Order: sequence, then C-alpha cells, then structure tokens
Amino acid sequence: KAGVTQTPRYLIKTRGQQVTLSCSPISGHRSVSWYQQTPGQGLQFLFEYFSETQRNKGNFPGRFSGRQFSNSRSEMNVSTLELGDSALYLCASSLTGATNEKLFFGSGTQLSVL
Amino acid sequence: AQSVSQHNHHVILSEAASLELGCNYSYGGTVNLFWYVQYPGQHLQLLLKYFSGDPLVKGIKGFEAEFIKSKFSFNLRKPSVQWSDTAEYFCAVISNSGYSTLTFGKGTMLLVSP
Repeated sequence: KAGVTQTPRYLIKTRGQQVTLSCSPISGHRSVSWYQQTPGQGLQFLFEYFSETQRNKGNFPGRFSGRQFSNSRSEMNVSTLELGDSALYLCASSLTGATNEKLFFGSGTQLSVL
Repeated sequence: AQSVSQHNHHVILSEAASLELGCNYSYGGTVNLFWYVQYPGQHLQLLLKYFSGDPLVKGIKGFEAEFIKSKFSFNLRKPSVQWSDTAEYFCAVISNSGYSTLTFGKGTMLLVSP
C-alpha cells in the first residue's frame, strides 16, 4: 500500500509570506503528526491530529497551525514566515496514535525561507 | 518534560568496526523507546523499539539496543558496520501516557568509510 505522501517536496518562500503543507496518511491511518527537522534542533514535535481533532501540540508559536480533514488528510500552515522556519517538515501517520503503534514517516517538505 | 540526549553528533568508522551510539532519556514514568534511521535522501525508518520485556531488543539490519532502566539509557549497537549503514540515527521516546508524540534526540550522523 502507498506510504505517507507529503506535498510539495520543496518550497521556497520569502519572509512574511505564509505556506501550507499537505500530508496524506497511509490508508486507514487516522492519526497524523507533524515534526520540524533542522540541523541545530533535530526533530521537534509540532502537533498531532486524530479524527479532525488536535490532541497534542508542541512548543511552537501560534504562527504554526494545522488541521485534519474527514479523510484523515492533514495540512499545516505557517503564517508570517521567518528565516528560522527553514526546515524539513515531516508528517507521520499511525492507526490511532497509540504509543505502541509504529509511526510511518513521509519524505518531508523542505521549506526554505529567504 | 521528557528529553533525549544522544552522546555523539558525528561518528566516523571503518567498515567492520563495531558501533555503539549512546542515548539517555529523562522522564520519570514508563516510556517506550525507539531508534530511527534516516538514510541519505530517504524518509525516517524504524530500526527497533522497546516497550517491555527483554531489555535487549533486536532490530533490522543486525542492529540491537539495550534498555538499562537504572541508567535511563537505550544504546544502539552493531557488531560490524557496513558502508551502507552510513546514515543519521535518532533515538526517541514516547511516554505511555501520550499519543504519537515522539521526543527525539538531536541525532548522530554515522559515516562508514569503505
């Protein structure tokens, strides 16, 4: 079956703009989580969604937001982009988000803010 | 809050050398522990995980890890590395009370020279 699909693969934006990233989980998976990966900070948890509800949120400013649709697809939005938002944004899915489930990661969206 | 510390940011080994990557976590409760690997240009993949039971867990590609509760450690080992093991390795933890909210270490970049 198809893996976790993230689009677009690459994005270049300028400071002050906003961006929307998309994630399609593995079919049947209802939990989607997002992570930011940077060389300095490594992987940091952004938020997790299940059945269109945000269940958990990491320590990021309100400029970072997300949502999940009824088909479990998820989007994350970053408004008023800053240079420091340049990162690889990873999406992961699992069946229900239980801690003993395997997470499947997408290849990520590489965001560059100029 | 839980945290994960990986001892080395970069490790360089020759083929056939033995590998041990250190990982310590900070959390007072029961946790599930993971090692993920990110090969160049590929998505994050699960190497192995520990939930309970035998503290010595075996994963894919000949990797193993030992959970030492008293030391809050979960070190990754491989007796003989190959050039194809060149990748970035991430230790991660989920508390049993959380959803798919992985806390990652900052990663160790392993370079294996042929």
